Amino acid sequence: EDKVVQSPLSLVVHEGDTVTLNCSYEVTNFRSLLWYKQEKKAPTFLFMLTSSGIEKKSGRLSSILDKKELFSILNITATQTGDSAIYLCAVEGWAGSYQLTFGKGTKLSVIP
Amino acid sequence: DAGVIQSPRHEVTEMGQEVTLRCKPISGHNSLFWYRQTMMRGLELLIYFNNNVPIDDSGMPEDRFSAKMPNASFSTLKIQPSEPRDSAVYFCASSYGTSGYNEQFFGPGTRLTVL
Repeated sequence: EDKVVQSPLSLVVHEGDTVTLNCSYEVTNFRSLLWYKQEKKAPTFLFMLTSSGIEKKSGRLSSILDKKELFSILNITATQTGDSAIYLCAVEGWAGSYQLTFGKGTKLSVIP
Repeated sequence: DAGVIQSPRHEVTEMGQEVTLRCKPISGHNSLFWYRQTMMRGLELLIYFNNNVPIDDSGMPEDRFSAKMPNASFSTLKIQPSEPRDSAVYFCASSYGTSGYNEQFFGPGTRLTVL
């Protein structure tokens, strides 16, 4: 059974801090790893990673994948209160059909 | 485009009742996904359709759950009979593509409470 484990489950930081969120996985026929941000409503897409060692970057957010060690990290620098959200990691696999497994998320709270 | 539309936004029902959740995907998208999110289990993929055809329903918890997509602009997820453990937020998402991951756009979700 595919598995995605995120850590920490919850994190409280001050504005301006840098945070690193972790995602480790076990999946059949890995295809991609995805990061989502979920505020009060539905998840919104952040990154898709398919290759090891290639950093994806969007503003203050960046992410990298290690397919050998089966994990990814999501970094947020100079955090702002608007970064407060649940960050979800999902892994896409293939076992005869499309499989997408989500982790339980990391709840990030950024306080002024 | 209005994005993915789900209805109702909230539903409170009693155990044993039938519940029908509705979804209108983004126009032009050909894949549609139903998810369930709870504190205990996180976000789970229940079923997905490609070109209105159910491709994988292995995530559907049991026979009480069924999903249909009669045309490209409408899908339903039905629970009959409902049970308290079905209480969750149900998301519908859509994407364009034929295989593998293509960015999914999520609807606002339906918060279901079964008493």
